[in-house]
Amino acid sequence: AQKVTQAQTEISVVEKEDVTLDCVYETRDTTYYLFWYKQPPSGELVFLIRRNSFDEQNEISGRYSWNFQKSTSSFNFTITASQVVDSAVYFCALIEGTSYGKLTFGQGTILTVHP
Amino acid sequence: GAVVSQHPSRVICKSGTSVKIECRSLDFQATTMFWYRQFPKQSLMLMATSNEGSKATYEQGVEKDKFLINHASLTLSTLTVTSAHPEDSSFYICSAADGTVYNSPLHFGNGTRLTVT
Repeated sequence: AQKVTQAQTEISVVEKEDVTLDCVYETRDTTYYLFWYKQPPSGELVFLIRRNSFDEQNEISGRYSWNFQKSTSSFNFTITASQVVDSAVYFCALIEGTSYGKLTFGQGTILTVHP
Repeated sequence: GAVVSQHPSRVICKSGTSVKIECRSLDFQATTMFWYRQFPKQSLMLMATSNEGSKATYEQGVEKDKFLINHASLTLSTLTVTSAHPEDSSFYICSAADGTVYNSPLHFGNGTRLTVT
């Protein structure tokens, strides 16, 4: 069965520090899709990125970057020069190719950025 | 971009009453919508998959008679919590895909915080 593990329950940094959120996944499918979502205190889920299993290219979007490594089944997320507005819960999630859209979420990492 | 609207955002009800939560895709058609539940400080757990024009598919352990799902149109799915009890208090959030689920991000509603007194 599929599984997503975010080992870091909480991370606290000071503004302008870089921070990496770890995500390790397990799946038997060769086709799968990985996601990161941000959940601010207001509760909504904000889509950040989707990655297909056959595309291992890393991606950068502004201060955000993602490192996808199939060899270690990891999909880590780095925020460069963190800001207070980055404070939120971040979820890594997985859809298996055979599960038709069912997202399996990790436990989430609470990120607090202090001014 | 694609937007999913969920209503109400917050509801308080008395034990024994039923509560209906709506999930609408505003600018796209969603043949499939998903309902998740999130307890405080916990992750999101899939409750059921809502398919337009057919019965919902429930995850193991989710009572289908308690959590009624209706997906009567391509833009609307509803979740009704029947005979609610305090243990049903939770954050409920829906999602929908604006294409095939594999080729699109899954957009989420803003969630509904249900409190049963």
